[in-house]
Amino acid sequence: AQSVTQPDIHITVSEGASLELRCNYSYGATPYLFWYVQSPGQGLQLLLKYFSGDTLVQGIKGFEAEFKRSQSSFNLRKPSVHWSDAAEYFCAVGGSWGKFQFGAGTQVVVTP
Amino acid sequence: EPEVTQTPSHQVTQMGQEVILRCVPISNHLYFYWYRQILGQKVEFLVSFYNNEISEKSEIFDDQFSVERPDGSNFTLKIRSTKLEDSAMYFCASSEGLAGGLDTQYFGPGTRLTVL
Repeated sequence: AQSVTQPDIHITVSEGASLELRCNYSYGATPYLFWYVQSPGQGLQLLLKYFSGDTLVQGIKGFEAEFKRSQSSFNLRKPSVHWSDAAEYFCAVGGSWGKFQFGAGTQVVVTP
Repeated sequence: EPEVTQTPSHQVTQMGQEVILRCVPISNHLYFYWYRQILGQKVEFLVSFYNNEISEKSEIFDDQFSVERPDGSNFTLKIRSTKLEDSAMYFCASSEGLAGGLDTQYFGPGTRLTVL
């Protein structure tokens, strides 16, 4: 069965600094991977996805993620964070019949 | 841009009561889903629905839960007899139906269910 691990529950980063959120997955075949962001009181917004092809994918809001099959990872990065990036970030792997498996999430706090 | 909508945004109910959560998926999407997120916990899959039947469900989705697409636009989640532990944010999602349900899911804003 597929699973997703986000090792960091909470990350604090200064505005303007770089950000990297870790995601490790377990899946028997080529995974379909997603990053979603959830702002307080809001739903889940898709940041980016990986299905196949180029292992470095670009998303919205200046985010990118790199798929590394050898490390079973799909880490999310942003070169320079903005205060509006404070939110909770979820990594997810797609499963049969749309049964997404989500990680526990990483809460990002941005300090001035 | 099309989006998934959910009503109500917040539902308060007494334990043992039935609740129906409503969702309007994106109009050309073929797969529909319900997830829940208990406060402070991860988002959990409940059920997927395709071609007017359940295609996958989790162990959470027991006999107290049911889903229905009563017309061409709405998708509902019914909880027959709510329990305290059903208190959570419930998210509806939909996808185009490409790749057997492995494609991007678009989420609604959620319904916060509070069971007293």
